[in-house]
Amino acid sequence: EAGVAQSPRYKIIEKRQSVAFWCNPISGHATLYWYQQILGQGPKLLIQFQNNGVVDDSQLPKDRFSAERLKGVDSTLKIQPAKLEDSAVYLCASSLNRYTEAFFGQGTRLTVV
Amino acid sequence: DAKTTQPNSMESNEEEPVHLPCNHSTISGTDYIHWYRQLPSQGPEYVIHGLTSNVNNRMASLAIAEDRKSSTLILHRATLRDAAVYYCILRKYNFNKFYFGSGTKLNVKP
Repeated sequence: EAGVAQSPRYKIIEKRQSVAFWCNPISGHATLYWYQQILGQGPKLLIQFQNNGVVDDSQLPKDRFSAERLKGVDSTLKIQPAKLEDSAVYLCASSLNRYTEAFFGQGTRLTVV
Repeated sequence: DAKTTQPNSMESNEEEPVHLPCNHSTISGTDYIHWYRQLPSQGPEYVIHGLTSNVNNRMASLAIAEDRKSSTLILHRATLRDAAVYYCILRKYNFNKFYFGSGTKLNVKP
C-alpha cells in the first residue's frame, strides 16, 4: 500500500516569498491533516480536512497560511508571505476516517532565510 | 483539551524491556490514549491506542492505570531501531484531531 506522498522534500526560500507544499494522501482516506513541526518540538496541528471540508483550522495563521483540498483527495498548503519563524518541517497525514489512526508522510523541510 | 506529561528523555539497553510513562490527570471519559513514535527524519507513526483495558499488538503493549490518569508504553525488547521520540496523545472519540506534546526521546544503547 502506498503511503502519504509529500513534495517537495526540501525547500529554501527568502523571507517574504511564497511557497506551496503538496500532499497526496493514502487512497480512500477521508481525513487529511497538516502539521508544522519546529525543530525540537512536537508536531502542531495546522488544519484538518474531512473530505474537502475544513474540520479544524483554529491554529492556522490565516493571515499568511492557506490550505485547500480539492475534490477531497490531494491537498496544498501555502504560505504567503513567509517569515523566518516559518522554518520548520511540514507534515501531512491522512486517516481512513476520523476514528482511525493517522499515517504520516515524510514531510517537507522549509528553510526561510 | 486534556494535556499529557512525559519525561523529556530515557535511556535503555538493547534487548531489555522499556517502560515509557505518561501522565494525563485531566483525562475525560471519552479520551482515548494514543501513542505515536517519530524516528529521526521521519514522520510520526502509530504505535498503539487504548481506552480502559490494557492492549497488546506486534509493536508494543499499553498498560492503563485503573483511574486512567496515567499509562505506560512497554517495548518488550528494545532494539536500536526503537530509538525515537515517543508521543502520548489524548484523542476524543468523536473528534479525530489530536495534539502532540513534546514527547520522550528514547535512546537505546547497544
